[in-house]
Amino acid sequence: DAGITQSPRHKVTETGTPVTLRCHQTENHRYMYWYRQDPGHGLRLIHYSYGVKDTDKGEVSDGYSVSRSKTEDFLLTLESATSSQTSVYFCAISGNGGNQPQHFGDGTRLSIL
Amino acid sequence: GIQVEQSPPDLILQEGANSTLRCNFSDSVNNLQWFHQNPWGQLINLFYIPSGTKQNGRLSATTVATERYSLLYISSSQTTDSGVYFCAVEPYSGGGADGLTFGKGTHLIIQP
Repeated sequence: DAGITQSPRHKVTETGTPVTLRCHQTENHRYMYWYRQDPGHGLRLIHYSYGVKDTDKGEVSDGYSVSRSKTEDFLLTLESATSSQTSVYFCAISGNGGNQPQHFGDGTRLSIL
Repeated sequence: GIQVEQSPPDLILQEGANSTLRCNFSDSVNNLQWFHQNPWGQLINLFYIPSGTKQNGRLSATTVATERYSLLYISSSQTTDSGVYFCAVEPYSGGGADGLTFGKGTHLIIQP
C-alpha cells in the first residue's frame, strides 16, 4: 500500500470556523491531489500540486486553499467552513514521471453543522 | 470539460458470474484509470490503462482510445468484488498529472 496518511479521519465543526486537513506521504512522490466525494457527483478535483510551493486549481476550488511547503505534506484549508463543504475528502499521490497511477488515502469525513 | 459516463449504474450478480463495466469519455485522453471503492470507502487503483489491454488475476481492462471507451471485465465474481467501480480520465490536453475527472461509478453487488 502507498504510504498516505490523512488526518483527521473524522471531524465535526461549525459553520464559519476554519478547518485544515492534512495529507502526508512517505513515497517522495511529486504530485499530490485533493478530491471531494459527494453522493450523485462521484469524486471531484479541488486542488493539486506538482511540487513544493507549486499548486493549481481543480474543478471545485472555490472556498478552499492549499499549501505545500514540503514534498511529503499537502494541506487543504477551508477558511470559513460552510454546510455545502460537508463531504468526504480524499488525498491522492502519483509518481514523478506524470501519466502514472494515482493512489488514494483513506479519506477524511468532514461534517459542518 | 471532458465528460465521463459509466454504465450500468447498478449491477446485482450471483457469485461466480462474469460482468462487463463500460466507460465512455467525450474527448481524447492521455490518462485513464479504473478504481474500486470497497464498502469501507477505500479507493484502490485497479488499472492505469490509457490504451490497450491489461489483466490482473480475474480482472482485465481494455481501452479503445480511438473510439473513446474503456471496458472492465470481472470474471468469476466473488463477494469481495462488491463496491463501486470508477473510471477516471485526464484529457489529452492535460500535462499528464493535472488531476482526474471521474465518472459517477457502477455500484456492483455480488450475492452469495
